[in-house]
Amino acid sequence: SQQGEEDPQALSIQEGENATMNCSYKTSINNLQWYRQNSGRGLVHLILIRSNEREKHSGRLRVTLDTSKKSSSLLITASRAADTASYFCAPISGTYKYIFGTGTRLKVLA
Amino acid sequence: NAGVTQTPKFQVLKTGQSMTLQCAQDMNHNSMYWYRQDPGMGLRLIYYSASEGTTDKGEVPNGYNVSRLNKREFSLRLESAAPSQTSVYFCASTTTRGWSGTTSYNEQFFGPGTRLTVL
Repeated sequence: SQQGEEDPQALSIQEGENATMNCSYKTSINNLQWYRQNSGRGLVHLILIRSNEREKHSGRLRVTLDTSKKSSSLLITASRAADTASYFCAPISGTYKYIFGTGTRLKVLA
Repeated sequence: NAGVTQTPKFQVLKTGQSMTLQCAQDMNHNSMYWYRQDPGMGLRLIYYSASEGTTDKGEVPNGYNVSRLNKREFSLRLESAAPSQTSVYFCASTTTRGWSGTTSYNEQFFGPGTRLTVL
């Protein structure tokens, strides 16, 4: 199992701007998943990208995966105040262990 | 369909007391997990159960025990609580069975959490 490392640790943007956060990991993966956590709540799954995929879209979310660089990025377009949350990546190596990093804290200012 | 439920929502213990956190899921998932999250931190995996009848240690298992009671329920027990165990505890479940017997690591569904304070 391995932990993803999210970057930056914190991000503050204006409503309507795009938010980009990155995830790096160390060993080969089966897939990589992104989750959102609103303050005090459980994590909510956003998107899963498999190791043989390079890009995936879901609504205002765009995820890319570069397995040669062992990195992924999550782009939230046209951000809203409701997007304020912490975002976590989980690189899944195929051992049943889902290990989460410390996350990126996104604040969207109205 | 309630998803993942956890009880209790809040608990205050004194050092040395014991308690069991309960978790249940109604999605017929085979894998279940317990995490803890300290203030301003990420989640740390305590124990997991890949399938009914099996349990394995995660990153921080010391001071905890688990029981996979059946496919639906996965409990976490603190035998002798310590202040260092003050945290928010999350249970999660997922299905890791793919087609034709392959293993597929899918999205996790999380419960609402149990806020535990140990004095």
